[in-house]
Amino acid sequence: GAVVSQHPSWVICKSGTSVKIECRSLDFQATTMFWYRQFPKQSLMLMATSNEGSKATYEQGVEKDKFLINHASLTLSTLTVTSAHPEDSSFYICSARSRGNTIYFGEGSWLTVV
Amino acid sequence: KQEVTQIPAALSVPEGENLVLNCSFTDSAIYNLQWFRQDPGKGLTSLLLIQSSQREQTSGRLNASLDKSSGRSTLYIAASQPGDSATYLCAVLNQAGTALIFGKGTTLSVSS
Repeated sequence: GAVVSQHPSWVICKSGTSVKIECRSLDFQATTMFWYRQFPKQSLMLMATSNEGSKATYEQGVEKDKFLINHASLTLSTLTVTSAHPEDSSFYICSARSRGNTIYFGEGSWLTVV
Repeated sequence: KQEVTQIPAALSVPEGENLVLNCSFTDSAIYNLQWFRQDPGKGLTSLLLIQSSQREQTSGRLNASLDKSSGRSTLYIAASQPGDSATYLCAVLNQAGTALIFGKGTTLSVSS
């Protein structure tokens, strides 16, 4: 079946550095990819929606300059957390929408900023 | 703006009980609704997907219903087991397929 691969699963970075998270659809073309963030004991919050070849659409309150999203191809989207701070520590998860409108999720990435 | 609400926020039951988790949404113009399971520290596992034209889906001990007109869905778990302990999330996909909105989840604890 369709699989979405998210990498890395766990990452620790120093405050002030940038970290990139990749989301790949392995056996289907993802027309749209979604990026979510989840704080402890809270639900998933949609951060942005990206379509291949166009700029991402960010949800209200999400800083586009801090959370850079690139959707360079139909199988790859990346989220870069720039100048990370401890408050950016969170669980980030991507999902990809196939042409048939089915949504598949990655396993998520735990980011810890120290 | 679509809002998804899940009740209850937490539920504790003894093993063997049948239980119902509720999900409501404010905008009935949806493409589909999905129920997910999330274990602590893990990603999401899709349990059941109901297209807007369907009324229910079943998988093993799980049954999900959808009443689009009233903006409600229920997830029924039969004969609960300790392994069912997790957070259950429902999410609705809008008709354009451009936004998947989640509820806050119901955290289920099944004791043996």
